[in-house]
Amino acid sequence: EVQLVESGGDLIQPGGSLRLSCAPSGFTVSGNYMSWVRQAPGKGLEWVSLIYSGGSTYYADSVKGRFTISRDTSKNTLYLQMNSVRAEDTAVYYCARDHPPYYDSSGYHTGGNGAFDIWGQGTMVTVSS
Amino acid sequence: SSELTQDPAVSVALGQTVRITCQGDSLRSYFASWYQQKPGQAPVLVIYGKNNRPSGIPDRFSGSSSGNTASLTITGAQAEDEADYYCNSRDSSGNVLFGGGTKLTVL
Repeated sequence: EVQLVESGGDLIQPGGSLRLSCAPSGFTVSGNYMSWVRQAPGKGLEWVSLIYSGGSTYYADSVKGRFTISRDTSKNTLYLQMNSVRAEDTAVYYCARDHPPYYDSSGYHTGGNGAFDIWGQGTMVTVSS
Repeated sequence: SSELTQDPAVSVALGQTVRITCQGDSLRSYFASWYQQKPGQAPVLVIYGKNNRPSGIPDRFSGSSSGNTASLTITGAQAEDEADYYCNSRDSSGNVLFGGGTKLTVL
């Protein structure tokens, strides 16, 4: 079964650090475009970061310079290193896979378009003193 | 602007057709994807690309786009379609944008 499992969420003090992990089953993180998406309590979805299969990385302005997305090919695991966390980083964090490349009536499409076809169950990060 | 705008709430009578819209400059260049999210659950992709449904998504869900507006249409809404719906797309910088979400109520 193709799935994603996140872990690492915790209660953390403002200014602290935390690393989230995301382990897939049925596919490799290195062969896919992978993202982190978060959802604050009672709020909407917010994209956080993206890593291309080729290794390029992108970040939302709200986390740029504080968060780092990475992957370990040998462990087939995606990470989100969160530093200098703030109260507004409190959220459920999901990892998600971009839909693999496909053809449709409009042509050929690669990843990086935000078509997240596989999501994990989420891991809760609470930033509070 | 690098934003996607959705109506906060929409309602539809059981069995009727409803359209949920998403507006933003990025949609002039990139397709929107649509997600359904029920309380306490992870989002589920329902439409991607020009108008593609992942396996297992009923064919009453369809997508379209014109100019800076993308639309998700549910033809013959069912009680189980009551949920929050989110659009997203990428922008020219390679970032991903999400709309604020639309709460769909099926009456």
